Amino acid sequence: KQEVTQIPAALSVPEGENLVLNCSFTDSAIYNLQWFRQDPGKGLTSLLLIQSSQREQTSGRLNASLDKSSGRSTLYIAASQPGDSATYLCAVRPPGAGSYQLTFGKGTKLSVIP
Amino acid sequence: NAGVTQTPKFQVLKTGQSMTLQCAQDMNHNSMYWYRQDPGMGLRLIYYSASEGTTDKGEVPNGYNVSRLNKREFSLRLESAAPSQTSVYFCASSANEPTAKNIQYFGAGTRLSVL
Repeated sequence: KQEVTQIPAALSVPEGENLVLNCSFTDSAIYNLQWFRQDPGKGLTSLLLIQSSQREQTSGRLNASLDKSSGRSTLYIAASQPGDSATYLCAVRPPGAGSYQLTFGKGTKLSVIP
Repeated sequence: NAGVTQTPKFQVLKTGQSMTLQCAQDMNHNSMYWYRQDPGMGLRLIYYSASEGTTDKGEVPNGYNVSRLNKREFSLRLESAAPSQTSVYFCASSANEPTAKNIQYFGAGTRLSVL
């Protein structure tokens, strides 16, 4: 059974700092990996999706990397801002046609201090 | 641009009562999902519907039933609510076409308390 772990569970950084969030998964047979953002009391918003054949994806100040063989992904946030404060979750999709179920990590709660 | 709409946003039930959580998407997506989110447990899949007319169990289906009413709507029913079903419920949808990469789009959630 796939298990997804995110460490640390919470992180507090001063504004402007670059930071890295970690995600690890136990089964390297994945189709893709997604990073989501969740604001308090809200639903999830997809930030980046990396296919299993890719090494990284970038969107603005966000860069996600994937090392499938080692079962790891990182989300790099450059020049953090207070508006980046949220919980970040990663999720993996298994391979195979019709396999749409995602397995989520429990998330890292990020606080960016002005 | 509604996306995924869930109703109600909040609900309080007594043990043994029944209710249906509603979900509708306007993105013409094939697949829809119901998750629950509990502190310290993360999101867990309850049921999903890969396409109109099909439903399948996820990780935690006990105590729930679902109906894929049409391509837009996917409802979750609690027949006899229990305190263990106190949670935040999220509905999601995805296109599941080769070029869509299965990005899932989430609703805002339903916060359910069972007393």
